[in-house]
Amino acid sequence: NAGVTQTPKFRVLKTGQSMTLLCAQDMNHEYMYWYRQDPGMGLRLIHYSVGEGTTAKGEVPDGYNVSRLKKQNFLLGLESAAPSQTSVYFCASSLDGAKNIQYFGAGTRLSVL
Amino acid sequence: DAKTTQPPSMDCAEGRAANLPCNHSTISGNEYVYWYRQIHSQGPQYIIHGLKNNETNEMASLIITEDRKSSTLILPHATLRDTAVYYCIVRARGNTPLVFGKGTRLSVIA
Repeated sequence: NAGVTQTPKFRVLKTGQSMTLLCAQDMNHEYMYWYRQDPGMGLRLIHYSVGEGTTAKGEVPDGYNVSRLKKQNFLLGLESAAPSQTSVYFCASSLDGAKNIQYFGAGTRLSVL
Repeated sequence: DAKTTQPPSMDCAEGRAANLPCNHSTISGNEYVYWYRQIHSQGPQYIIHGLKNNETNEMASLIITEDRKSSTLILPHATLRDTAVYYCIVRARGNTPLVFGKGTRLSVIA
């Protein structure tokens, strides 16, 4: 049981480049989330999804897009990367919104030069 | 605006109980108290949650005051592996995501 898997683990981009971060979960969870964490800060919610085909904005959605075409996958896209998007990105999933016990991936460390 | 207030850092001797406080004076009747922790560079890990009764599991105990305006997470016998940032979060059940603050950095000292 892998839990929540994030791909890639590390990435360096140049300003203006695009990329997609992949999050996959094998727990049949309905809810999935993308967070970012900057040095010395707590996690901030970017986007989330309450089910296949649905997405919603979180606290800091600007500059990001997401898609949930399959229940097990949640993709985070950066269309034109900026240095301000240098961060560690965490994906999480939860069975539902009731108890909302979230299980997190190991993170993706992204640097935008 | 943060719904919880936690001390930025705490120390605890190895083998002793670690008591981490959290103030949530504006908590509403349908909001739960959740605790997560984040060990250096890893993704956060769920610890425990509760509404108004005290809760205990294999990791920790959660004590919530009768007026629900504050709570304490207790790690009964802290080890070096418990060194982490601990987040206290209040949230209503249903379709509302968790909001993480800056948490308390707990250092367990040998």
